[in-house]
Amino acid sequence: DAGVIQSPRHEVTEMGQEVTLRCKPISGHDYLFWYRQTMMRGLELLIYFNNNVPIDDSGMPEDRFSAKMPNASFSTLKIQPSEPRDSAVYFCASRQTGFGSYNEQFFGPGTRLTVL
Amino acid sequence: LAKTTQPISMDSYEGQEVNITCSHNNIATNDYITWYQQFPSQGPRFIIQGYKTKVTNEVASLFIPADRKSSTLSLPRVSLSDTAVYYCLVVLISSGSARQLTFGSGTQLTVLP
Repeated sequence: DAGVIQSPRHEVTEMGQEVTLRCKPISGHDYLFWYRQTMMRGLELLIYFNNNVPIDDSGMPEDRFSAKMPNASFSTLKIQPSEPRDSAVYFCASRQTGFGSYNEQFFGPGTRLTVL
Repeated sequence: LAKTTQPISMDSYEGQEVNITCSHNNIATNDYITWYQQFPSQGPRFIIQGYKTKVTNEVASLFIPADRKSSTLSLPRVSLSDTAVYYCLVVLISSGSARQLTFGSGTQLTVLP
């Protein structure tokens, strides 16, 4: 398996623009997580899905952020409108229930977002 | 606000044992404690997990006291390639009994030759 795939790897945009980050989890995994990493706040859980259903979105910072998982192999994180303080590395991770270690999440390479 | 606490950084020499502790006072009773390793420009990578007492795998050991308010990751005989940031991951109980999956602030381990 290719692991968790994220695109784009780098995104530079201007304030006010819409940004869409994409994630393809590992095949067969039923949990998908979106995280944000910054120097100031570290790794923060934004939202996670189980079987394509959002379970906990309490980490989504504002209404400008939204996430969807239309099927088991694809998820998006959208920021509209984007602001400079959204600049961060966004990670997607997936996990399979009942396989291996309980909390073992597999992380993608991340998308580095810069909002000018 | 429920949170975890880790040392910001640690230095060690090759071949030494390194112990990194994470404090998590408000840990949920029914969830595992997990540790991750992160290299620059990569996503975190799972190292080990445990619920209580001691767990050992091929790369590390994890020590968890009975009250589970802290955990210690032990790396035996570190090498230069172990230079990375290490995070604990726990489920904390915040105000209002909400469960919150929380990464620690991370510990930068630097292994010197």
